[in-house]
Amino acid sequence: EAGVAQSPRYKIIEKRQSVAFWCNPISGHATLYWYQQILGQGPKLLIQFQNNGVVDDSQLPKDRFSAERLKGVDSTLKIQPAKLEDSAVYLCASSSFPNTDTQYFGPGTRLTVL
Amino acid sequence: GENVEQHPSTLSVQEGDSAVIKCTYSDSASNYFPWYKQELGKGPQLIIDIRSNVGEKKDQRIAVTLNKTAKHFSLHITETQPEDSAVYFCARGLFKTIFGAGTRLFVKA
Repeated sequence: EAGVAQSPRYKIIEKRQSVAFWCNPISGHATLYWYQQILGQGPKLLIQFQNNGVVDDSQLPKDRFSAERLKGVDSTLKIQPAKLEDSAVYLCASSSFPNTDTQYFGPGTRLTVL
Repeated sequence: GENVEQHPSTLSVQEGDSAVIKCTYSDSASNYFPWYKQELGKGPQLIIDIRSNVGEKKDQRIAVTLNKTAKHFSLHITETQPEDSAVYFCARGLFKTIFGAGTRLFVKA
């Protein structure tokens, strides 16, 4: 079974620029999550999708972050404009929740904002 | 709040010894508690989880205990091996999962 795919793996941008990350979940997984993991901290949930609908985005900074999952499969997370404090690893995970509990994580995209 | 507190932040043990990581939570409605292992450059991987209707769960060298009254749960790794070296995260919840800050475990050969 193929895992969660993310691209790019690394991205370096200057502050005020825009950036987008892509995630392809495990086939058949209805639930998709985006997390932000700042160095030395645990992952923080940004947004959770069930199929193509948002079930929670309470911690997404909506003035600069946006995410979509138009066809209920892959998803993109965008930051516009980026700030220095957005430097982090952005992790995508998927699960077949509510059928099972396990979240499967991708390798992440490491973003550096200069 | 809904934070999950995790201790210690760093743990160093000799190969073959046991390692224990502890977490506390505040949301009494929580009923699902997973533990993840994260190796350098990779995403977290689930290693064991426990639900609130169970007090202990074991999988080979890994065990988790849960005390719902005290709102704390612990990860126990026995007979540690160098390949157990990684960052371990506790978490709570299936919906709006909240992670602890992590414990960096070093197993010295």
